[in-house]
Amino acid sequence: GQNIDQPTEMTATEGAIVQINCTYQTSGFNGLFWYQQHAGEAPTFLSYNVLDGLEEKGRFSSFLSRSKGYSYLLLKELQMKDSASYLCAGGFGGYNKLIFGAGTRLAVHP
Amino acid sequence: DSGVTQTPKHLITATGQRVTLRCSPRSGDLSVYWYQQSLDQGLQFLIQYYNGEERAKGNILERFSAQQFPDLHSELNLSSLELGDSALYFCASSVVGEPISGANVLTFGAGSRLTVL
Repeated sequence: GQNIDQPTEMTATEGAIVQINCTYQTSGFNGLFWYQQHAGEAPTFLSYNVLDGLEEKGRFSSFLSRSKGYSYLLLKELQMKDSASYLCAGGFGGYNKLIFGAGTRLAVHP
Repeated sequence: DSGVTQTPKHLITATGQRVTLRCSPRSGDLSVYWYQQSLDQGLQFLIQYYNGEERAKGNILERFSAQQFPDLHSELNLSSLELGDSALYFCASSVVGEPISGANVLTFGAGSRLTVL
């Protein structure tokens, strides 16, 4: 299978840094996506990693280790609007079928 | 507005009925994907089409079927509905169906919320 595992819930304080981890099975793996989803809304694309290492995009960074089947999303200078679910998704197979994890619900408190 | 249009936004129906959900992809996108999201659960991949052809299948029930038409819009048909089919159904589109560039970013529509009573 292509199980994607991530924590169910996390809480953090406004202005702080939070790291959301994700593990996946490496068979047929092409690349790793992170999406943000506010309650009742559509997921929106945050980042994509295909090579090992860190990709930085403003306050958000994403890291990938292909050999370990591991990724994390790092959110800095947290804002209240960052309260949302963060979905880790792996692209697998010849047609890059995107399989999502259950999502990590992040609550940012003042 | 993501450019991916889904209709209807909300749908309430009874068990045993059949419904059709419609999706128009973003202009220029050839691939359409359908996902099901039940309450407090992750996005479950149902099926993918590329330029009218089925490309990949997930855990889609036999009661569900889909197709992509020549104008690239797609329809998801759900029949013999059960209470457990109540969920948010998302359509997403992307430019390509293969990882040519390695970054097959999906753009999601706002979803169709189905309630089966």
